[in-house]
Amino acid sequence: AQSVTQLDSHVSVSEGTPVLLRCNYSSSYSPSLFWYVQHPNKGLQLLLKYTSAATLVKGINGFEAEFKKSETSFHLTKPSAHMSDAAEYFCVVSDGTGGGADGLTFGKGTHLIIQP
Amino acid sequence: GAVVSQHPSRVICKSGTSVKIECRSLDFQATTMFWYRQFPKQSLMLMATSNEGSKATYEQGVEKDKFLINHASLTLSTLTVTSAHPEDSSFYICSASSTGTWATGELFFGEGSRLTVL
Repeated sequence: AQSVTQLDSHVSVSEGTPVLLRCNYSSSYSPSLFWYVQHPNKGLQLLLKYTSAATLVKGINGFEAEFKKSETSFHLTKPSAHMSDAAEYFCVVSDGTGGGADGLTFGKGTHLIIQP
Repeated sequence: GAVVSQHPSRVICKSGTSVKIECRSLDFQATTMFWYRQFPKQSLMLMATSNEGSKATYEQGVEKDKFLINHASLTLSTLTVTSAHPEDSSFYICSASSTGTWATGELFFGEGSRLTVL
């Protein structure tokens, strides 16, 4: 069994300040981990993924995340928030069985608010 | 990268009518596509797995006669909401995996379809 916990349902930061979105996971396997972003009334866009290579993963739009096995965490960060970053962010864990969406577990999402 | 297109993006219909939503993989072949439903301010709920050339696999609690899924080709899956009622109003999202990402579980998502049943 696996699970994903996004520790904050809402995060509010000022434009130009750092962003931290927290994600903890549990998995019996060697998981793959993803962060997706969803803008209002849109589908999900992949920000970055960890698939057992480098533990510090760089994604699009200046986001990065670090896989910490000892802490079972995969927190998403960005040094400087932009207004366009306002969206819903989902942390997703895959059990590594391949391909099937039933092997994916979605976090409940974190709503990122950017204050001008 | 792999692109998944979903159509229509928005649809409004009267109660009792049926609505079809299309999901296409534009630059890759998707033997398997997935349909999700998303309620306001909530995460995605997997409804069913659509397999090309065979019957879809539905998650527990999802009515297969209400949500008809057809995956007639390697690039097209359709979701038909039959005899729609206001409680079926939701945001429906499709996704697919490519052969290159199958092992990791990475999915490519469509833009979503907002269904409003009056």
